[in-house]
Amino acid sequence: DTEVTQTPKHLVMGMTNKKSLKCEQHMGHRAMYWYKQKAKKPPELMFVYSYEKLSINESVPSRFSPECPNSSLLNLHLHALQPEDSALYLCASSQQQGFTEAFFGQGTRLTVV
Amino acid sequence: AQSVSQHNHHVILSEAASLELGCNYSYGGTVNLFWYVQYPGQHLQLLLKYFSGDPLVKGIKGFEAEFIKSKFSFNLRKPSVQWSDTAEYFCAVNAPSGGYQKVTFGTGTKLQVIP
Repeated sequence: DTEVTQTPKHLVMGMTNKKSLKCEQHMGHRAMYWYKQKAKKPPELMFVYSYEKLSINESVPSRFSPECPNSSLLNLHLHALQPEDSALYLCASSQQQGFTEAFFGQGTRLTVV
Repeated sequence: AQSVSQHNHHVILSEAASLELGCNYSYGGTVNLFWYVQYPGQHLQLLLKYFSGDPLVKGIKGFEAEFIKSKFSFNLRKPSVQWSDTAEYFCAVNAPSGGYQKVTFGTGTKLQVIP
């Protein structure tokens, strides 16, 4: 199984809503990543978890809150988002931090209204 | 800060034409290099990677890339493209940044192959 599964595939939320994005992998990878990709732009790193501990936070606003409940799961909790946060949110995993080879999920297309 | 440049933003080729997509990076030390492809409506997939050794690396689907350290380049090539190669291609570089290893993506090149 070389898949990274993200749910939901699409999400529309209001600026006062609280929602969560979920990511799951069963490859035994110990590093998991959240990226944000705006239209016609490259993926931008948001967070890195290594061995279930937050390793990197790329100065992401606190309205985005990551969580890694176990080695297979990665969540991104969303609260009080702004319309400019609308984007494709990608989850990725790799054996170790440092991107030995990363596997990406399909992404969650988020629209904030 | 580390930067990755892909100068070709949109490339249009006819089937069977040869392809070369440029990628340049700024970090002067040891790097790991990647090319990812994103087919329409699909997720990012690894095409090939360079960590060390032979600077000419071969990837999936007939793609190859050459690492030229003196030019800080990692260009992607394919001798003969197919319509199914229509996709967006991202170069990515893993290098130290602020005390940790960070991967930075280039801005991407959209390849359109005309039958």
